[in-house]
Amino acid sequence: KAGVTQTPRYLIKTRGQQVTLSCSPISGHRSVSWYQQTPGQGLQFLFEYFSETQRNKGNFPGRFSGRQFSNSRSEMNVSTLELGDSALYLCASSLYPGRSGNTIYFGEGSWLTVV
Amino acid sequence: AQTVTQSQPEMSVQEAETVTLSCTYDTSESDYYLFWYKQPPSRQMILVIRQEAYKQQNATENRFSVNFQKAAKSFSLKISDSQLGDAAMYFCASHTGNQFYFGTGTSLTVIP
Repeated sequence: KAGVTQTPRYLIKTRGQQVTLSCSPISGHRSVSWYQQTPGQGLQFLFEYFSETQRNKGNFPGRFSGRQFSNSRSEMNVSTLELGDSALYLCASSLYPGRSGNTIYFGEGSWLTVV
Repeated sequence: AQTVTQSQPEMSVQEAETVTLSCTYDTSESDYYLFWYKQPPSRQMILVIRQEAYKQQNATENRFSVNFQKAAKSFSLKISDSQLGDAAMYFCASHTGNQFYFGTGTSLTVIP
């Protein structure tokens, strides 16, 4: 069974540009969540999607957005990039959202560098 | 909001020895789960072990076991017979309902 797939793995963008990251969950998983990992802030929750609806959102500005498609694949978008957006963006999938103990499985992440 | 604290930024262990990584958490929820994830240099987060808060018995997965002290809100990870492949960043996490809360991680070095 294929794991969580994230594309692209590495990308470099310029300040002010926008970026779209893609995530394909494990087959059969319908919930996708996104995390930002930086050395200073650790792992921070961005948002979670289930059935094409955002169920939960972390404390990030509106420049960060996402969506989920009917096949459960998800994309996240960051507009007007800032240097501080440089990070590893991790996608995770799970069977069901909003249930305690729901194990999440991570992709390998997308490394974003903003210059 | 929940908080998860890992007070050991770095730890080291001799190969074949045992090491314990500490984690404390703070939650007002009664229904929650606790996890340890491992992040090797490849950066992919890998589930190591999970513990249901309502279970008193400590979870075990091969060489990995936890010491879950619910009253103290403590959830430590013990790695027995450490191997070179265990070298990684280890994250403790709690989960209730809507989202995961992660600690800041402990970097484990395994010395040959």
